[in-house]
Amino acid sequence: DTGVSQDPRHKITKRGQNVTFRCDPISEHNRLYWYRQTLGQGPEFLTYFQNEAQLEKSRLLSDRFSAERPKGSFSTLEIQRTEQGDSAMYLCASSITGRGNTIYFGEGSWLTVV
Amino acid sequence: EDKVVQSPLSLVVHEGDTVTLNCSYEVTNFRSLLWYKQEKKAPTFLFMLTSSGIEKKSGRLSSILDKKELFSILNITATQTGDSAIYLCAVVNNNAGNMLTFGGGTRLMVKP
Repeated sequence: DTGVSQDPRHKITKRGQNVTFRCDPISEHNRLYWYRQTLGQGPEFLTYFQNEAQLEKSRLLSDRFSAERPKGSFSTLEIQRTEQGDSAMYLCASSITGRGNTIYFGEGSWLTVV
Repeated sequence: EDKVVQSPLSLVVHEGDTVTLNCSYEVTNFRSLLWYKQEKKAPTFLFMLTSSGIEKKSGRLSSILDKKELFSILNITATQTGDSAIYLCAVVNNNAGNMLTFGGGTRLMVKP
């Protein structure tokens, strides 16, 4: 399967701990996006990369959230000092410029902060 | 700020019924509108609409865009229990690197 891959799929952590999620986009896709989705809501945009450049990060929810895409391939999303309100599904998506720009989502990483 | 509003919030129908889901939007620089189906996992792509009045069709699902009135509809005919899901509408802003702004979704339940 060459779709968007996310890891881990589920994470339970204690409040105050740091967590990191990984996303591997579809191989030729140069754009990578992170979204957050809480129950009953549509996905909410967090940040995106074009190749290794992070072109939009003002929507990251606080300075506890950071994302990287060091070599323009996989990306990581880190949440430091987690809070219960961070419990959500974190979705990664990717697209390629110039090919209809359809955005494809991964299966998501569920985070529960206890 | 871009905005997407979907209606109804939820819908319960019986198998064989036809449903119409609505999506209205505001976006500063419209590029496209996308429909996704979401079951208990990530959204799966259904349609991308860029031009007014051109119907996109896939099996029992179809969708159309009205760029003048700023809305789109998603139709599902002869519904089946497998159509039960949340249907998400999103707009793409040409100024923002294909960032998607999603609506809150319509939760569809199809009863046997």
